[in-house]
Amino acid sequence: GNSVTQMEGPVTLSEEAFLTINCTYTATGYPSLFWYVQYPGEGLQLLLKATKADDKGSNKGFEATYRKETTSFHLEKGSVQVSDSAVYFCALMTNAGKSTFGDGTTLTVKP
Amino acid sequence: NAGVTQTPKFQVLKTGQSMTLQCAQDMNHEYMSWYRQDPGMGLRLIHYSVGAGITDQGEVPNGYNVSRSTTEDFPLRLLSAAPSQTSVYFCASRLEGGRSYNEQFFGPGTRLTVL
Repeated sequence: GNSVTQMEGPVTLSEEAFLTINCTYTATGYPSLFWYVQYPGEGLQLLLKATKADDKGSNKGFEATYRKETTSFHLEKGSVQVSDSAVYFCALMTNAGKSTFGDGTTLTVKP
Repeated sequence: NAGVTQTPKFQVLKTGQSMTLQCAQDMNHEYMSWYRQDPGMGLRLIHYSVGAGITDQGEVPNGYNVSRSTTEDFPLRLLSAAPSQTSVYFCASRLEGGRSYNEQFFGPGTRLTVL
């Protein structure tokens, strides 16, 4: 079946540090890939997405590139802020509409 | 638009009790789903629906029932609550139509504790 493997957390960084959260996937065909963010006490919300190989999704300074050759979709941000503290989920959706989520990575940014 | 709404936000049940978690969306989305979120396990799909009158099982359906009588509402019923059902439950919706790039919209969640 399909699977999404995320870098284990928690991740703690100082403000303005560089962030990478690794995500790799296993799926048949050509899924779409997503990063969702969950702030404390809230539901998940879409951060960015990519629908085909070599696409780059970006939003709020975060970026991720769909790498089919390495089946990866790593999330990066050049300079994190305290307000970026949240749980980040990598997810895929197949052409049949089935979603699979990673386990989530908790990010804490300290001032 | 209110988006996806869920009630209640918190609930405590005793083992064996039944209850219904409510979910509604006002975006005219065909696809609705229920997930449970447990520590270190990400989100797991319980049940989903691709339109009114159509429901199907997800990854962890045992102990839960759903129905979809309208496009807007997708309630989740716990038939006889067990401590293993202690979790945070999220309802989500999205457009259907075979587009794999449609994002899901999530409700704020219901935190359920079964004693």
